[in-house]
Amino acid sequence: QVQLQQSGPGLVKPSQTLSLTCAISGDSVSSNSAVWNWLRQSPARGLEWLGRTYFRSQWYKDYAVSVKSRVTIIPDTSKNQLSLQLTSVTPNDTAVYFCARMTSALMVYAVWGQGTTVTVSS
Amino acid sequence: EIAMTQSPATLSVSPGERATLSCRASQSVTTNLAWYQQKPGQAPRLLIYGTSTRATGIPARFSGSGSGTEFTLTISSLQSEDFAVYYCHQYNNWPYTFGQGTKLEIK
Repeated sequence: QVQLQQSGPGLVKPSQTLSLTCAISGDSVSSNSAVWNWLRQSPARGLEWLGRTYFRSQWYKDYAVSVKSRVTIIPDTSKNQLSLQLTSVTPNDTAVYFCARMTSALMVYAVWGQGTTVTVSS
Repeated sequence: EIAMTQSPATLSVSPGERATLSCRASQSVTTNLAWYQQKPGQAPRLLIYGTSTRATGIPARFSGSGSGTEFTLTISSLQSEDFAVYYCHQYNNWPYTFGQGTKLEIK
């Protein structure tokens, strides 16, 4: 079955870049049916979708308006993983970050990573 | 963006009793509504999609109903492992959105 394993630092300084990785097993990041997402969760904002990437003969990416100027999702076919980069972080970006998989046939988050708690603090 | 409103924020129910959780959408999402369960320190787990279809491995005591803007998740006889936070999620209109959650606690 599909599994997602997240990794990355739990503490990031203000103004720096948050970088997380989601390693995929049981599927391919370049699958023609999967959609790969990053979300985050905080007491203030609840569950918030950040962005997605998917491959349909070419790569597509969509980002939430709230973070669009600061976020990048990068698929890595050589390592079968996807990464999240969020620049110029502030304490408001403190949250638990999740990667999650959807499929074209069913646009629900059926598979999740374990979550990474990221604190933005000096 | 469609706003999802869940009620109540907290629901206190005794084990063995029935729990009914509500979710309202700010506009119609037809039947493209899912429910997730989240326990402390864990990722959300998909329970129900398409309003009423249980995901793989989800017990029959979980059921969903509704359409348009009003939806319900019912847990027929609460087990100890069911006490958690539940989220609804609409995937009818982009961007997909979540409710703020209902915490189901032991009475």
